[in-house]
Amino acid sequence: GIQVEQSPPDLILQEGANSTLRCNFSDSVNNLQWFHQNPWGQLINLFYIPSGTKQNGRLSATTVATERYSLLYISSSQTTDSGVYFCAVEETSGSRLTFGEGTQLTVNP
Amino acid sequence: DTEVTQTPKHLVMGMTNKKSLKCEQHMGHRAMYWYKQKAKKPPELMFVYSYEKLSINESVPSRFSPECPNSSLLNLHLHALQPEDSALYLCASSHYLGSGSNQPQHFGDGTRLSIL
Repeated sequence: GIQVEQSPPDLILQEGANSTLRCNFSDSVNNLQWFHQNPWGQLINLFYIPSGTKQNGRLSATTVATERYSLLYISSSQTTDSGVYFCAVEETSGSRLTFGEGTQLTVNP
Repeated sequence: DTEVTQTPKHLVMGMTNKKSLKCEQHMGHRAMYWYKQKAKKPPELMFVYSYEKLSINESVPSRFSPECPNSSLLNLHLHALQPEDSALYLCASSHYLGSGSNQPQHFGDGTRLSIL
């Protein structure tokens, strides 16, 4: 099956800092989603981005499908950004989402 | 994603109990999913239903029994669970246009299950 690698595994920031999270995947994909899981376990859709660039407020994401990676940018980070960020992909031949191991983000005040 | 509603939010049960988890969506999605998530791990797919038919079972033990009574509802019946089954159970839904259909999945808030 498809492999999904996220980096870094852990990230600690001061409030106001910017960061970039990376997701590499091993095969062609139909679907790529970025999620934020908050401390209460809620899995929140950030972006549906199988290719191209999208922005939503302080967050933006870029997927370069031909090179099999996606980046999530967080600018001016806030303590409420803390949690785990997951990248999940659906390969072209399948109908299941495969998640990476996640990036644990901690934003300190 | 509050458009997918899961009940209950928390469940504590003994190993001999029978209980059910419920999931409901009203977005007209015809694909629905159950995932299991252990602490500090990513969600893992358990079952996929498309058009109310079971299309994927990821070799889940028979003590977990899914049911899709209609296009809006998805149940997960639990019986004789083990302590290692304690986890967060997430439901998701999406439009379904066939394999590799390029549609985002929307997740509920999950049921946190504890087995005593």
